[in-house]
Amino acid sequence: EAGVAQSPRYKIIEKRQSVAFWCNPISGHATLYWYQQILGQGPKLLIQFQNNGVVDDSQLPKDRFSAERLKGVDSTLKIQPAKLEDSAVYLCASSRTGRVTYEQYFGPGTRLTVT
Amino acid sequence: EDQVTQSPEALRLQEGESSSLNCSYTVSGLRGLFWYRQDPGKGPEFLFTLYSAGEEKEKERLKATLTKKESFLHITAPKPEDSATYLCAVPIGGYQKVTFGTGTKLQVIP
Repeated sequence: EAGVAQSPRYKIIEKRQSVAFWCNPISGHATLYWYQQILGQGPKLLIQFQNNGVVDDSQLPKDRFSAERLKGVDSTLKIQPAKLEDSAVYLCASSRTGRVTYEQYFGPGTRLTVT
Repeated sequence: EDQVTQSPEALRLQEGESSSLNCSYTVSGLRGLFWYRQDPGKGPEFLFTLYSAGEEKEKERLKATLTKKESFLHITAPKPEDSATYLCAVPIGGYQKVTFGTGTKLQVIP
C-alpha cells in the first residue's frame, strides 16, 4: 500500500513570496490533515478535511494560509505572503473515518525556509 | 483546559539500559491515546493505539501502557536504532482530531 506522498521535500523562499505544497493521501482515507511542526515541538494542526469539506481550520492563519482538497483526494496548502515565522516542516497526514478516532499516517513533510 | 504533556524532554540511555517515557493528559472522557516515532527529517510513524485504561500493547522492545491519567512507553534493552523522538497524541476537541505532545527525544548510546 502506497503511503502519503508530499512534494516538494524542501523549499527556500524569501519573505513576502508565495509557496504551495501538495499532498496525496493513502487511497481510501477520507480524512486529511495539514500540520505545521516547528523544530523541537509536536505537530500543530492547521486544517482538517473530511472528503472535500473542511472540518476544522481554527488554527489556520487565514489571512495568509489557504488550503483546498478537490474531489476529496489530493490537497494543496498555500502560503501567501510568507513570513519568517512560517519557517517549519509542513506535514500532511491521512486517516480512516469512523466511530472512533483512528491513527494517522504521515507523509515525509516539506521543510520550508523563509529568508 | 485539555492538555497533553510529555516527559522528559530528552533522554540519553546506554545501550541495554531500560527506561520509560511519560505522556500525561487532562482530558475528560478519553477517546484513545496514540504513540508515534519520528526520525530526523521524516514524518511521524504510527506505533500504538490504546483505547482504555489497563490496556497494553507491545512491539519489539517497546511496550505502551495506559492509565486514567497517563501513558508510559517502556523501552526494554534499547539499541541505538531506537534513537528517535517519541510523540504521544490524544483526541481533543473535534471529530478525528488529536493534539500532540511536544515529544521526548531519545538517544541510545552504543
